Amino acid sequence: DTAVSQTPKYLVTQMGNDKSIKCEQNLGHDTMYWYKQDSKKFLKIMFSYNNKELIINETVPNRFSPKSPDKAHLNLHINSLELGDSAVYFCASSLENYGYTFGSGTRLTVV
Amino acid sequence: GESVGLHLPTLSVQEGDNSIINCAYSNSASDYFIWYKQESGKGPQFIIDIRSNMDKRQGQRVTVLLNKTVKHLSLQIAATQPGDSAVYFCAVISGAGSYQLTFGKGTKLSVIP
Repeated sequence: DTAVSQTPKYLVTQMGNDKSIKCEQNLGHDTMYWYKQDSKKFLKIMFSYNNKELIINETVPNRFSPKSPDKAHLNLHINSLELGDSAVYFCASSLENYGYTFGSGTRLTVV
Repeated sequence: GESVGLHLPTLSVQEGDNSIINCAYSNSASDYFIWYKQESGKGPQFIIDIRSNMDKRQGQRVTVLLNKTVKHLSLQIAATQPGDSAVYFCAVISGAGSYQLTFGKGTKLSVIP
């Protein structure tokens, strides 16, 4: 079983649409994250979330919203998609600050 | 805030040689450091980690060295193989209850057969 799985792997959509990316972890971790990787391979934290606290990177537009139905899931919803949102989005999880594990990524292309 | 940098964006090595990838960090309170390997089309994969109470840690063919005095981290890969070709990232956690990893910009390692 994949430890951190995210779907879809590829997502092509038009500007202005709303889309969601799903993430699930089966590691029993208590903290989950979303990272954005740009065309230059730079990985930047967007959100971290556990059952206590949501921490939002201030540079993330409020069109992006994480939604966590339970400890094993952290979905990313994006409203009014823009061309600049095109990137690879990675979900990750950890047990406090141990055992960081990443998903295989979702390549989002906005056209 | 934390900033993490890499000295070389690309590195080409001959198969069988040793590789050294460097990383500098800015926050002296950083207490946990991880090296990741990212192959094309995949997510970052854990290689090795080290905590600030250590200055060296060894794994299978990999060694991480931590110099807290100059805030420098390095990853050494022994007998580099074609399968080691990937982008390598250092990532740090800045302590004080933070769980967020801050990544460096990445070094692309190319192994020449």
